[in-house]
Order: sequence, then C-alpha cells, then structure tokens
Amino acid sequence: DSGVTQTPKHLITATGQRVTLRCSPRSGDLSVYWYQQSLDQGLQFLIQYYNGEERAKGNILERFSAQQFPDLHSELNLSSLELGDSALYFCASSVEGAADTQYFGPGTRLTVL
Amino acid sequence: QKEVEQDPGPLSVPEGAIVSLNCTYSNSAFQYFMWYRQYSRKGPELLMYTYSSGNKEDGRFTAQVDKSSKYISLFIRDSQPSDSATYLCAMSGKTGYALNFGKGTSLLVTP
Repeated sequence: DSGVTQTPKHLITATGQRVTLRCSPRSGDLSVYWYQQSLDQGLQFLIQYYNGEERAKGNILERFSAQQFPDLHSELNLSSLELGDSALYFCASSVEGAADTQYFGPGTRLTVL
Repeated sequence: QKEVEQDPGPLSVPEGAIVSLNCTYSNSAFQYFMWYRQYSRKGPELLMYTYSSGNKEDGRFTAQVDKSSKYISLFIRDSQPSDSATYLCAMSGKTGYALNFGKGTSLLVTP
C-alpha cells in the first residue's frame, strides 16, 4: 500500500458527461500528479499541483481540469467525455527533497460508453 | 519519436533466470531514473530510484544508468513467478517534477 488513495475505483458513464476523480496524497506529501494510462499511449502526465498551486501541465485536454485543496487532496474533473477518454487515471504524490520519488495510488478506471 | 523507448515484450523466462530490462532515452537533461513494477490493473509500485549514472542494488534487483549512452537497465536475479508484471522505466530532469515513462515491458516468469 503506497499510502495514496483514489476514489472511485471504477466509473462507467456516457459520452458527453462530466466526472470527478478524487485523490488523497500520502501524509506529508505536498505534490500531487495526475497521469492517464491507456493501452496505446502508456502513462502520460496530465498535470501537477504543489501545495495548492499548479506547477506543471502535460498533455491535458482543455476539457480536463484539476485542483488541489487546502487539505492537499486533489480532484481531476473530466467533462464532455468522449469514448477515447476511457483509461486508467492515476494520482501520485511526492515530498520534495534531494531524493523525492513519486508514489502511485491504485487508480480509477474510467469507462465511457 | 518518444523521449523514452522501451521494448514492450512480452518477455518470458523460466524461474530462476536472470532478467534484463532496458530503456533508451533521447533527452540528455534527464538525471533521475526510476523503475516501477505494475501488476495488472494496479497502480505502479516504485522499485528502484537512481540519480545520475552508476549502479544501485537492492536485494535481487540492480539498476544501472549509463548517461553517456542514454541507456538504463534493470536486472532481476533469481526471478520468481511473483515477478511476473509489467516493468516501467521512468525519468525526469528535475526533482519534484513529472516523470516521463516508457510504455513498459511485460514479463512472465514461468515455474
């Protein structure tokens, strides 16, 4: 168990809908990262927050947004969902330092029908 | 061309074999190198972390980084069926920033 929690484990929804994925980082970790994993693209970085502020953006679509709250949990919002958004969404957290590493949560499996 | 290339396999070996997994990369700014293990439908689990070049050993696992060749390796000694998983290499140029992943190599260790 990495200490990173994600809810829900599974989501099934329809095209055009909006969903929210939630992540709680490990105790003491200030950074939260969101990744998308699909069969053809592998693990792709979406966005990073550090202590409530957006730090970096990767290949995140405009239909997707995220935020990190004062208690450090984070939410990833996906809207106007398309079939191609079906994937595993992982959250990872890290504490900064000379040897910081990222610990991944169990993921949320999103299926868009 | 992706920044990080990894042979997807699958790689099948008998129990007890030495396994060699590799990644190549193109971005010379990468300094932090990791190996993750991912079981089916689970989150990636950090196995090894290396900064810059050199070797690092942890039990049956050895990670090697050759920055001059832009090549990293993970060796698994005395492989076990429980090692059957997908192994992902990952790297970044700055600590505390996003990781660039290979697509993963699927490993099967047969009894």
